Amino acid sequence: SQQGEEDPQALSIQEGENATMNCSYKTSINNLQWYRQNSGRGLVHLILIRSNEREKHSGRLRVTLDTSKKSSSLLITASRAADTASYFCATDGGTYKYIFGTGTRLKVLA
Amino acid sequence: DAGVIQSPRHEVTEMGQEVTLRCKPISGHDYLFWYRQTMMRGLELLIYFNNNVPIDDSGMPEDRFSAKMPNASFSTLKIQPSEPRDSAVYFCASSLSGERLFFGSGTQLSVL
Repeated sequence: SQQGEEDPQALSIQEGENATMNCSYKTSINNLQWYRQNSGRGLVHLILIRSNEREKHSGRLRVTLDTSKKSSSLLITASRAADTASYFCATDGGTYKYIFGTGTRLKVLA
Repeated sequence: DAGVIQSPRHEVTEMGQEVTLRCKPISGHDYLFWYRQTMMRGLELLIYFNNNVPIDDSGMPEDRFSAKMPNASFSTLKIQPSEPRDSAVYFCASSLSGERLFFGSGTQLSVL
């Protein structure tokens, strides 16, 4: 079974707005990562947050992690049309066996 | 660095044929992962290697699937015999010390 489940499954917003997507997982982790996938391409790493961290920033990205709730969120601020993609969380389950969630399809309208 | 290189980019074959997918990881990376992506099942981890040794192959769906990593710069995923339900995009990813994964562009496999 998949380790991570993202919601919403799909999200459509206007350029300039913020986009928030959530990830829930089932077992203990060492770290949680977020990846982006443009249509027909491979996944690209965005950010990694460790189990002892609660929040991390990278440019317009903000990730939070709540290990008590086994959940994480990814916030993209001031979204752009180029942010249109699918976003996945990945968890390691305590090993290096990275399991990806179902993904959130983000569409940013110009 | 050229990144993770996968070949072929597209593969169309007939049911029953042998299919071999190839991957060249980023030089110096010590972990290599094979994933399969479909609309129905999402991204599935098939197998991963550490220092060329298979660590976990519990995601390999059947005995028809096999993966090898004869050296640090090359890995193959073989399907023999192939079936229509194997149609998917197969991704290879490599990593240094098992964290941030770098993905290849994938192989789009169609089994007719």
